[in-house]
Amino acid sequence: GQQLNQSPQSMFIQEGEDVSMNCTSSSIFNTWLWYKQDPGEGPVLLIALYKAGELTSNGRLTAQFGITRKDSFLNISASIPSDVGIYFCAGHLPGDRGSTLGRLYFGRGTQLTVWP
Amino acid sequence: EAGVAQSPRYKIIEKRQSVAFWCNPISGHATLYWYQQILGQGPKLLIQFQNNGVVDDSQLPKDRFSAERLKGVDSTLKIQPAKLEDSAVYLCASSFLYEQYFGPGTRLTVT
Repeated sequence: GQQLNQSPQSMFIQEGEDVSMNCTSSSIFNTWLWYKQDPGEGPVLLIALYKAGELTSNGRLTAQFGITRKDSFLNISASIPSDVGIYFCAGHLPGDRGSTLGRLYFGRGTQLTVWP
Repeated sequence: EAGVAQSPRYKIIEKRQSVAFWCNPISGHATLYWYQQILGQGPKLLIQFQNNGVVDDSQLPKDRFSAERLKGVDSTLKIQPAKLEDSAVYLCASSFLYEQYFGPGTRLTVT
């Protein structure tokens, strides 16, 4: 299967600090998605990116779709305790013959811990 | 708008027993997915349905796993017989296009 390299694996930061994490792949994706997963819950969609170079914000979160379409990053500004969780990147590969169907491939996640 | 519903939330079974999980997707979402998430990893796709047809089941261990979506809405995933390595969280997701929305998952422990 496709390999998404997500880094860092874990981060320990102080409340108020900014956070940056990224995802790289050897494959070209047509969509990048960023999810957050809290313990005992399913992943929650944070940001979706559809075009190379696209920069999208959602509150304190900003994500970019890399120009090469092989990478993406997520920034969190002024972190707060509720930002704690696991953040996953996911890249979408289209289906055969230009079908809108395809598959989503996930990174291994970045575990974020925020100290008050 | 109601999200993706899954049940049960937790299940503990012995190896070689069978188990079934249920999923109700977001209304209007034609595509439904079942994922397996092992501790410390990202979700891995098991099977993808478009309405009531299977689009991708290449990662489904078909000797023991089966899934159906008979009326194009609800879906069930079954494991029979279960093995120790099946212990994981089973996530259901649905989508209209590329954005997939996940349910809370079922945590399965096989002893």
